[in-house]
Amino acid sequence: GAVVSQHPSWVICKSGTSVKIECRSLDFQATTMFWYRQFPKQSLMLMATSNEGSKATYEQGVEKDKFLINHASLTLSTLTVTSAHPEDSSFYICSATPGTAPYEQYFGPGTRLTVT
Amino acid sequence: AQKITQTQPGMFVQEKEAVTLDCTYDTSDPSYGLFWYKQPSSGEMIFLIYQGSYDQQNATEGRYSLNFQKARKSANLVISASQLGDSAMYFCAMRGGMEYGNKLVFGAGTILRVKS
Repeated sequence: GAVVSQHPSWVICKSGTSVKIECRSLDFQATTMFWYRQFPKQSLMLMATSNEGSKATYEQGVEKDKFLINHASLTLSTLTVTSAHPEDSSFYICSATPGTAPYEQYFGPGTRLTVT
Repeated sequence: AQKITQTQPGMFVQEKEAVTLDCTYDTSDPSYGLFWYKQPSSGEMIFLIYQGSYDQQNATEGRYSLNFQKARKSANLVISASQLGDSAMYFCAMRGGMEYGNKLVFGAGTILRVKS
């Protein structure tokens, strides 16, 4: 149990376009989902925390207008990178916390974004 | 503020030997959790082991054990009988209490290479 999926697993887009990444909890209801960004050979950096039905809380330095996060249901959160630029190329990972186990986090497999 | 420090950027270990990956942490919260994750080249975050701040005994999971020294604020990961498949990036992470929104703070990571 406790499986989190992400779609797509990798995406290539042109500079100036927007791309949406989905994060789904497959077998549990996720009251909280987290979005991370990871550059090659670096650690995970938390971008934002999203709770179902409310606005996401962004970490300092993360542009909320550029990285739009929507947590519309208890099993789905989306991250939209708007007007993407090459510097947005990165590995994006989501994690989800079950409502029944608020101290646990289950990670998705990640999405590799390349902006050309 | 919460902080995780991993001082070993890279480690080598001979196959079948044991290896210790260092992790120190800093927090003022008396209630916290410590995690170790493995990230192979595929990018997925694989949960290895968890230690709660009030746990009296060191956590163990198969070949993984966590050497928890609360007074020294260290939570080293010990991998026994290393296997070639253990080669990966390893992250130590800390979860604070509810006031921190159950966020995970990650260390910089240690790249482990197992030699045959």
